[in-house]
Amino acid sequence: ELKVEQNPLFLSMQEGKNYTIYCNYSTTSDRLYWYRQDPGKSLESLFVLLSNGAVKQEGRLMASLDTKARLSTLHITAAVHDLSATYFCAVVDHQKETSGSRLTFGEGTQLTVNP
Amino acid sequence: KAGVTQTPRYLIKTRGQQVTLSCSPISGHRSVSWYQQTPGQGLQFLFEYFSETQRNKGNFPGRFSGRQFSNSRSEMNVSTLELGDSALYLCASRMFSGNTIYFGEGSWLTVV
Repeated sequence: ELKVEQNPLFLSMQEGKNYTIYCNYSTTSDRLYWYRQDPGKSLESLFVLLSNGAVKQEGRLMASLDTKARLSTLHITAAVHDLSATYFCAVVDHQKETSGSRLTFGEGTQLTVNP
Repeated sequence: KAGVTQTPRYLIKTRGQQVTLSCSPISGHRSVSWYQQTPGQGLQFLFEYFSETQRNKGNFPGRFSGRQFSNSRSEMNVSTLELGDSALYLCASRMFSGNTIYFGEGSWLTVV
């Protein structure tokens, strides 16, 4: 059974600081997603990582994927208060299905950026 | 272009009742999937439909069912509601050949 683990689960950081969220998964996959969720809201797609070594950046967020280590990272650079949210990684288990829409989510990382 | 649209957004039901939630995917998206989000269990996959056929099903009891219509709109139904069914139900859509999965705003279900 595919398991996805994120750490840390809670992260409180000061504005201007850098930090990294880690996402480990237990079986082979070549498709990893990062989502952002604000309280009471839906999931906003941030990144889709499709291959080993993939790196994508959007603003202060950068995501990378190492399929051999079964690890993805979400790096936050010079955090600002607007980045406060819960961040989820999710993985498609291609051994179980081929349609590509069955996501297994991590527990989420609740990020709070303090002034 | 319009995103994934879910209705109703909020609803309160009594134990034992049933509920039907609706999802209209992004135009051109034929794959629709459903997820349940609760504080205790997190985000869990319910099922996925493509071209009116269920392609995948998660580990939920038979009280949870769904369907997809020829216009790709989907509904999910929960019968004999239990208190533990209180959750945010999220619908997502994807172009079958695409990679990005887009989520709707969700339907907040409270069972009392």
